[in-house]
Amino acid sequence: QKEVEQNSGPLSVPEGAIASLNCTYSDRGSQSFFWYRQYSGKSPELIMSIYSNGDKEDGRFTAQLNKASQYVSLLIRDSQPSDSATYLCAATGGSYIPTFGRGTSLIVHP
Amino acid sequence: NAGVTQTPKFRILKIGQSMTLQCTQDMNHNYMYWYRQDPGMGLKLIYYSVGAGITDKGEVPNGYNVSRSTTEDFPLRLELAAPSQTSVYFCASSTGTGGHQPQHFGDGTRLSIL
Repeated sequence: QKEVEQNSGPLSVPEGAIASLNCTYSDRGSQSFFWYRQYSGKSPELIMSIYSNGDKEDGRFTAQLNKASQYVSLLIRDSQPSDSATYLCAATGGSYIPTFGRGTSLIVHP
Repeated sequence: NAGVTQTPKFRILKIGQSMTLQCTQDMNHNYMYWYRQDPGMGLKLIYYSVGAGITDKGEVPNGYNVSRSTTEDFPLRLELAAPSQTSVYFCASSTGTGGHQPQHFGDGTRLSIL
């Protein structure tokens, strides 16, 4: 059974702080990793994708991948109240079908 | 460019009724997926398709059926609706190597079975 684990939260951070969201996966064959943001009552939207070990930065967002530890993280710098949402982690291996975690709820308070 | 379009957005069904959730995409994506999302839970895959004429079961296929006669359309059929099928349903599509590419999601259909 392929699993992607996330702490459900909520993770509460003050405005301007760094939010750190974490995800672990069980399938060592996973090759592609995604972070989606989902606002309440809305559909998921892609934030970051990462395919290689290391860091990938896009604006205030940084995705980090460590395949040896089977660990993916998303850092959000200078967090804003508009970042308050649920963040879904997904991993895809040889089956070409992604496995999603349950998501971490992030609350950024002013 | 509309992306992934789902209809209807909301629907209330009575137990035992049937309905079809429509999904169409205009991005010429080969891969299409149907998910359900229950409150506080992640996305559970119902069915997926790797191209026209090809469909396969996901994690929770019981009570559902799909077809893929064209690249654009991937309808989900509920037969004999049950209260356990109350959920939010998302259709998604992706290009190239399926799950190794980001998925584009529709706005969802909120379905209540009473």
